[in-house]
Amino acid sequence: EDQVTQSPEALRLQEGESSSLNCSYTVSGLRGLFWYRQDPGKGPEFLFTLYSAGEEKEKERLKATLTKKESFLHITAPKPEDSATYLCAALYSSASKIIFGSGTRLSIRP
Amino acid sequence: SQTIHQWPATLVQPVGSPLSLECTVEGTSNPNLYWYRQAAGRGLQLLFYSVGIGQISSEVPQNLSASRPQDRQFILSSKKLLLSDSGFYLCAWSLGTAAYEQYFGPGTRLTVT
Repeated sequence: EDQVTQSPEALRLQEGESSSLNCSYTVSGLRGLFWYRQDPGKGPEFLFTLYSAGEEKEKERLKATLTKKESFLHITAPKPEDSATYLCAALYSSASKIIFGSGTRLSIRP
Repeated sequence: SQTIHQWPATLVQPVGSPLSLECTVEGTSNPNLYWYRQAAGRGLQLLFYSVGIGQISSEVPQNLSASRPQDRQFILSSKKLLLSDSGFYLCAWSLGTAAYEQYFGPGTRLTVT
């Protein structure tokens, strides 16, 4: 069964303290890897799509990377407004739907 | 640009009552449409998806049903709600071609009492 696992479940950082979130996925048949941001009480907001190992995408303080077995969301010099839950999801060639991980709750202290 | 709407935003219903949640998409044609449920502190559980009018695929057997009466309208229903139906319901759309990323609506918070 295809799986997406995110770690850590929760991460608390000081403002300006850079870190990375991890997303591990079932390798076989991956067609795309997605990152979303979700604020409390709101729908997920699309951030990035990665299609192949070695690919990187950036948006402001966020950079997403993809290797052959996992993806990382790097957060550089985060600010309190970066606090949110970050979701990873994967699309497989065997299915027409994407599978979501359970997310990482990120909290940035001023 | 594309916009997705969901209503109502919040709903409190007694056990055994019916349910109807509506989702509409603007600014695109023939989207793939999805219903998800998110329990507190949990990931997204896919409930239904649709690739066209009248075409519904169910992912989780339960007392919920979905319908797509129009190209850009997706409805989630139940004849009798259970306590376990409480949660945050999200509708999403995608183009379903080369780009598979999904875009989500604002969600409906359902509390069954």
